[in-house]
Amino acid sequence: DSGVTQTPKHLITATGQRVTLRCSPRSGDLSVYWYQQSLDQGLQFLIQYYNGEERAKGNILERFSAQQFPDLHSELNLSSLELGDSALYFCASSQTGQGWQPQHFGDGTRLSIL
Amino acid sequence: GDSVTQMEGPVTLSEEAFLTINCTYTATGYPSLFWYVQYPGEGLQLLLKATKADDKGSNKGFEATYRKETTSFHLEKGSVQVSDSAVYFCALSDRDRDDKIIFGKGTRLHILP
Repeated sequence: DSGVTQTPKHLITATGQRVTLRCSPRSGDLSVYWYQQSLDQGLQFLIQYYNGEERAKGNILERFSAQQFPDLHSELNLSSLELGDSALYFCASSQTGQGWQPQHFGDGTRLSIL
Repeated sequence: GDSVTQMEGPVTLSEEAFLTINCTYTATGYPSLFWYVQYPGEGLQLLLKATKADDKGSNKGFEATYRKETTSFHLEKGSVQVSDSAVYFCALSDRDRDDKIIFGKGTRLHILP
C-alpha cells in the first residue's frame, strides 16, 4: 500500500462530458503529480503541484485542469471528453517534489469514454 | 531534450533465468536515475534508484549501476521468479530541467514457470 488514494477506481462516461478525478497524497507528502497512461502513448506526465502551487507542467491538454487544495488533496478535471482520453490516470506524491525523491503512486483511475 | 530509451518488450524468460533490461538516457545535466515496477492492476512502485555516477541501486535481488560514460542504467537480476512478471519503467529526473521525471515506455516481462 503506497498510501496514495485515488477515487474513483473506474469511470465510464460519454464524449463531451466532464469528470473529476481525486487524489489524496501519502501522509506528509507535499507534492502531487498527475500522469496519463495509455497503450499507445505510454506514461505521460501531466502536471505537478507543490503545497498548493503549480510547479511543473507536462503534456496537459487545455481541456484538462488540476488543483491542489489546502488539505493537500488534488483534483484533475477533464472536460469536453474525447474517445482518445480513455486511459489510466495516476496520481503520485513525494515529500518535497524534488526530482531525486521517489514518487509514490496510487492505483489509478481507469477512464472509459463511450 | 532529456529522454529515456529502454528495450522493447515483451521479454519472456523461464524461471531462474538471468534478466537484463537495457536502459539508456540522454540528459543535459546530471540526472537521478530510477527503475519503477508496475504489477498488474496496480500503480508504479519504486524498485531502485541511483543519484550519482557509479552508484549501484539494489532491491529484491534487482540491481542497476549508474554508468555516466555509457549513459546507461541497465536492470539485472540473477534468477527471476514468476512473481517478477510485471512492466518495468526506467526513468530519470534532471535537476537542470525543472526536476521533471521522464519515463521510458516500459518493458513488459513474462516469467514462465
